[in-house]
Amino acid sequence: DTAVSQTPKYLVTQMGNDKSIKCEQNLGHDTMYWYKQDSKKFLKIMFSYNNKELIINETVPNRFSPKSPDKAHLNLHINSLELGDSAVYFCASSQVGGPSEQYFGPGTRLTVT
Amino acid sequence: GENVEQHPSTLSVQEGDSAVIKCTYSDSASNYFPWYKQELGKGPQLIIDIRSNVGEKKDQRIAVTLNKTAKHFSLHITETQPEDSAVYFCAASPPSNDYKLSFGAGTTVTVRA
Repeated sequence: DTAVSQTPKYLVTQMGNDKSIKCEQNLGHDTMYWYKQDSKKFLKIMFSYNNKELIINETVPNRFSPKSPDKAHLNLHINSLELGDSAVYFCASSQVGGPSEQYFGPGTRLTVT
Repeated sequence: GENVEQHPSTLSVQEGDSAVIKCTYSDSASNYFPWYKQELGKGPQLIIDIRSNVGEKKDQRIAVTLNKTAKHFSLHITETQPEDSAVYFCAASPPSNDYKLSFGAGTTVTVRA
């Protein structure tokens, strides 16, 4: 029944490693997003895909690469992890056709040591 | 781009009292203003939204008001209950093809029993 799911929920890794976070939505939405929430709770959009096409690409280091194999999945791959990448990463999805409710996943807490 | 400011950053209220959170936005073309509630360890969840052709919207104990001239909008929670304790985010979205939301910094609301 989960609308937007993310795996893993927790991710602890060392600096320099490469890691991926997976996101899936079963709502039939066309648009998916990745957000970063820092330690002060600030939510910042990173990327957005509409029907597998990249439509938002904020000022994010190119170590971050999103991939959308189909419109129900949006994965986030991070190369050469740095301490500053530690945060909670949220995936979200919404209907196409105008600004509307975004449904957020439970988040992935990434800790880089 | 759109810049959203949110006040206060923390708010403590006695159970049964009202809580008010205020946000201002910078882009006069913004036309969609959602409010999200984030409980501990979970992703944000939409609680109410308003579009620029409406001045006020209510849903049970929650109401949102919008003043387009002054470019500010507010969330009002009446008869607060302990389960209202959470972080609340306002957001704004200008008309565009990417449905991008710009979030405020969040307000941590604590309802004292």
